[in-house]
Amino acid sequence: EVQLVESGGGLVQPGGSLRLSCAASGFTFSSYRINWVRQAPGKGLEWVANIKQDGSEKDYEDSVKGRFTISRDNAKNSLYLQMNSLRVEDTAVYYCARGYDSSGYLPGYWGQGTLVTVSS
Amino acid sequence: QSVLTQPPSASGTPGQGVTISCSGSSSNIGNNYVYWYQQVPGTAPKLLFYRNNQRPSGVPDRFSGSKSGTSASLAISGLRSEDEADYYCAAWDDSLSGVVFGGGTKLTVL
Repeated sequence: EVQLVESGGGLVQPGGSLRLSCAASGFTFSSYRINWVRQAPGKGLEWVANIKQDGSEKDYEDSVKGRFTISRDNAKNSLYLQMNSLRVEDTAVYYCARGYDSSGYLPGYWGQGTLVTVSS
Repeated sequence: QSVLTQPPSASGTPGQGVTISCSGSSSNIGNNYVYWYQQVPGTAPKLLFYRNNQRPSGVPDRFSGSKSGTSASLAISGLRSEDEADYYCAAWDDSLSGVVFGGGTKLTVL
């Protein structure tokens, strides 16, 4: 069974940093692109970033470029999102989401999410 | 302002059918696959369709997906109370080099 478990969320002040993690199991982690997708309270889904299977390609949504960094450790079956210079508008539930199949970019399987709150 | 455009709401009575539209452009829907997701409030999204009209195992065949040009549609027949949820379309956008989502459609089963 595919499992994705996010962690690392919490309360942080504007301008602060946070590192999210996503632990994967139940599939060959190194064979899939992985995405981070977020959802602000009461709002819709917003794609944040994704990373290729070997980590050689990374794409970011414009508002997070230069502030967020996606990375992965295939030996540890783990995905990360380093978030710096956080803003109030980054407040959201952050989901880790695997491509549906090994050639897919878009999310197919989702974790349960971790809440990030940016507030003073 | 979402790159993909969906109606904010839709409704129907049990047993009826409903269709949710998703409008995009040549850089996203027109040139790439469309995915659809269902999200019950308070839970993670669930994949309903990948590659326009491919249904993952476990998704009832009351749900169908289609794409034509720069638009896509999600149709639900024989509405049930458990279909009440938010529905999102998504696609890769070649110009943005990223995934774009619709704003979501809240489906109410009256």
